[in-house]
Amino acid sequence: DAGVIQSPRHEVTEMGQEVTLRCKLISGHNSLFWYRQTMMRGLELLIYFNNNVPIDDSGMPEDRFSAKMPNASFSTLKIQPSEPRDSAVYFCASSLIGSEQYFGPGTRLTVT
Amino acid sequence: TQLLKQSPQFLSIQEGENLTVYCNSSSVFSSLQWYRQEPGEGPVLLVTVVTGGEVKKLKRLTFQFGDARKDSSLHITAAQPGDTGLYLCAGRRAAGNKLTFGGGTRVLVKP
Repeated sequence: DAGVIQSPRHEVTEMGQEVTLRCKLISGHNSLFWYRQTMMRGLELLIYFNNNVPIDDSGMPEDRFSAKMPNASFSTLKIQPSEPRDSAVYFCASSLIGSEQYFGPGTRLTVT
Repeated sequence: TQLLKQSPQFLSIQEGENLTVYCNSSSVFSSLQWYRQEPGEGPVLLVTVVTGGEVKKLKRLTFQFGDARKDSSLHITAAQPGDTGLYLCAGRRAAGNKLTFGGGTRVLVKP
């Protein structure tokens, strides 16, 4: 069975550009989480959805960040405009609500 | 300020030695999980502990949840190079689906 799929795996962009990160959930899962990991701040939850509905977005840094679930199996995280301090590894994870979270391999974002 | 504090932040030991990683908080959690993360990959769940005082064993790994459900420890016996990785604890509060992660402990086991 395929796990959580993230694309791209690596993204290098210039400050001010729009960045879109993509995530495909494990089939049948109904909860989706976006995390950001840096050396300084560790693994931080940005936002999570249950049944396509955003439940907690208190971790989203600012209005430059937005996340959507256009359907039950897919999500995007968009940063517009990007800044160097957004450089990090972004993970999505999916689960059945209340159960174990399965993480994707991550997208390493570098903003120059 | 992190809700869950892990110590130490980094641990380097020789193969065959034992090690313990700690995860502490002033908050009570309904459950606590331990993950291991290898370079270039996402965290992978090792264990979930739910009951205060609970001890779970996974081969050479022993996990303990504190009686008050505020802290946990991970003990590895006779560490092997394959145990090298970033160990993360994560707590879940009584309500909701949200996990709060500790800062992680980076373990290096040298052959």
